[in-house]
Amino acid sequence: QVQLQESGPGLVKPSETLSLTCAVSGYSISSAYYWGWIRQPPGKGLEWIGSIYHSGSTYYNPSLKSRVTISVDTSKNQFSLKLSSVTAADTAVYYCAFSKGGAFDYWGQGTLVTVSS
Amino acid sequence: QSALTQPASVSGSPGQSITISCTGTSSDVGGYNYVSWYQQHPGKAPKLMIYDVSNRPSGVSNRFSGSKSGNTASLTISGLQAEDEADYSCSSYTSSSTLVFGGGTKLTVL
Repeated sequence: QVQLQESGPGLVKPSETLSLTCAVSGYSISSAYYWGWIRQPPGKGLEWIGSIYHSGSTYYNPSLKSRVTISVDTSKNQFSLKLSSVTAADTAVYYCAFSKGGAFDYWGQGTLVTVSS
Repeated sequence: QSALTQPASVSGSPGQSITISCTGTSSDVGGYNYVSWYQQHPGKAPKLMIYDVSNRPSGVSNRFSGSKSGNTASLTISGLQAEDEADYSCSSYTSSSTLVFGGGTKLTVL
């Protein structure tokens, strides 16, 4: 069973960079498949941020592409999200997830990130 | 990319069947058999209920089924139960090699 756990600051100042890490257990991140980030603003729907293939290829939401970087650290079996120049609109619960293809089979519990000065 | 269109809310009585629609375009829902459905209870992470339009992951009740016609996908829940009350979201692969979600539908069991 794949397990994922997000970690990172719960409060980020406007214009700064949001950084989150997803620790993976139960599966080697370098073996196969996709690893993704999804967010959900309070009271709103899910928004796909981007995904990274085990080989390192990345895919980003066009609306966020200029500000997003997703990377993998195989030595720690984890992957990361960086979102630059954040504003209040980036306040959301951020989820990391595992996908064998188009669907996200396993999800982390989510972490709330608030953008505020 | 635009979010897929779902009704904001649906409701049904225990034992009944309900259907939630998810409308996109020929560049996403209509163009690929990569539509997924997620169930989300308040304060919890989403749970995959249907993948590739109509497939159920192991452990998901067969009361949940998925289908697609043209640019619209549908999730049907039969024999509605109290524990089915949750938010349901669809997602689809797109022609730009990206993913897009719907706005979510709140299911109320009366």
